[in-house]
Amino acid sequence: AQSVTQLGSHVSVSEGALVLLRCNYSSSVPPYLFWYVQYPNQGLQLLLKYTTGATLVKGINGFEAEFKKSETSFHLTKPSAHMSDAAEYFCAVTTNQAGTALIFGKGTTLSVSS
Amino acid sequence: DTGVSQDPRHKITKRGQNVTFRCDPISEHNRLYWYRQTLGQGPEFLTYFQNEAQLEKSRLLSDRFSAERPKGSFSTLEIQRTEQGDSAMYLCASPPRPLNTGELFFGEGSRLTVL
Repeated sequence: AQSVTQLGSHVSVSEGALVLLRCNYSSSVPPYLFWYVQYPNQGLQLLLKYTTGATLVKGINGFEAEFKKSETSFHLTKPSAHMSDAAEYFCAVTTNQAGTALIFGKGTTLSVSS
Repeated sequence: DTGVSQDPRHKITKRGQNVTFRCDPISEHNRLYWYRQTLGQGPEFLTYFQNEAQLEKSRLLSDRFSAERPKGSFSTLEIQRTEQGDSAMYLCASPPRPLNTGELFFGEGSRLTVL
């Protein structure tokens, strides 16, 4: 079974500051890992994903995440926050077996102040 | 636009009434998922279809909930005798392509409020 823990339900940064959202996973088989973003009153949008290969993956809007197997982590970063990044972010895990459901963390709300 | 459509977007009902939600997934794809999202929580898996077969159900799916996918196209999620605890956003999702790469594309959800 898979699970995800997102450390910090709320992160606040200033515009232009580094964004770091933490995600740790548990999986008995090699995981596929994802970050989704949800803006207020909107649906979930895929930010980036890791399946195999390069452990540093880049996504939309300048975000990236690094898969670290030894630390069972998949933290999301962005060098410089924009006001428009304010949203809720969800980390999710699944496996390479077709049909396995995506399991989500509880989410981290990112606030960006000017 | 993810290509996943859900209807209605909002539903307000009184406790004890039945409600039904519809999902039209990305066309030509055989897998469809339902999730529930409550305020301040991540989406929680409810059930999964491959074509018309319901292959997996979460323990969250009590006997008041039923999901169908006739003919393997659109799907419906019905909640009977609604309770206030059923108030949530109900999300439908499907993979963007037949090859399994794990990700799901989500519809914008159907928000249920039970008074």
